[in-house]
Amino acid sequence: EVQLLVSAGGLVQPGGSLRLSCAGSGFAFVTYGMFWVRQAPGKGLEWVSTISGSGGSTYYADSVKGRFIISRDNSKSTLYLQMNSLRVEDTAVYYCAKGAREGFIDSWGQGTLVTVSS
Amino acid sequence: EIVMTQSPATLSVSPGDRATVSCRASQSVSSNLAWYQQRPGQAPRLLIYGASTRATGIPARFSGSGSGTEFTLTISSLQSEDFAVYYCQQYNDWPPTWTFGQGTKVEIK
Repeated sequence: EVQLLVSAGGLVQPGGSLRLSCAGSGFAFVTYGMFWVRQAPGKGLEWVSTISGSGGSTYYADSVKGRFIISRDNSKSTLYLQMNSLRVEDTAVYYCAKGAREGFIDSWGQGTLVTVSS
Repeated sequence: EIVMTQSPATLSVSPGDRATVSCRASQSVSSNLAWYQQRPGQAPRLLIYGASTRATGIPARFSGSGSGTEFTLTISSLQSEDFAVYYCQQYNDWPPTWTFGQGTKVEIK
């Protein structure tokens, strides 16, 4: 069974930084692309970032490009999202998700709330 | 950037009735379209991929159709657990992006 365990989010001031982690188990972590997707309070889903299985390719939504960095440590089966220069509009529940080989998301972890506020 | 537009925003349906949700892409995404269900307070769950293939464990009352720019999710006979928000998502763009529709809330009539 695929399990994705996301670290706790938290409250951060505007302009601050936070790193999320997501530990994967129950599948061959190195084989699959991984995603971060977020959901602002009361809003819909927004794709944030994707990383290939090897970590050699990364992709970002325009809204976070240049501020967020996705990475992975395949030796630890762990995905990361380094969030810098945080803005109030980055407040959301952040989900870690596993990609299928065809490119869609086939498994989701529980979300973690990140609140950016002074 | 491909824009995904869902309709309607809210759908009021009686238990046992059929529900139909539409999703339109601003340009062709071939059959690279997935549907997700999100119940209140839960993470999304994959229902359909490849526009029409049910994911593992998804009941047969869920079906997807379409290709190119027009897609439909149909729930043939709504059960209580099906009242939720449904999202479409394309995964065809290059450079890769994974755009979601804005969601359709299926509520009890």
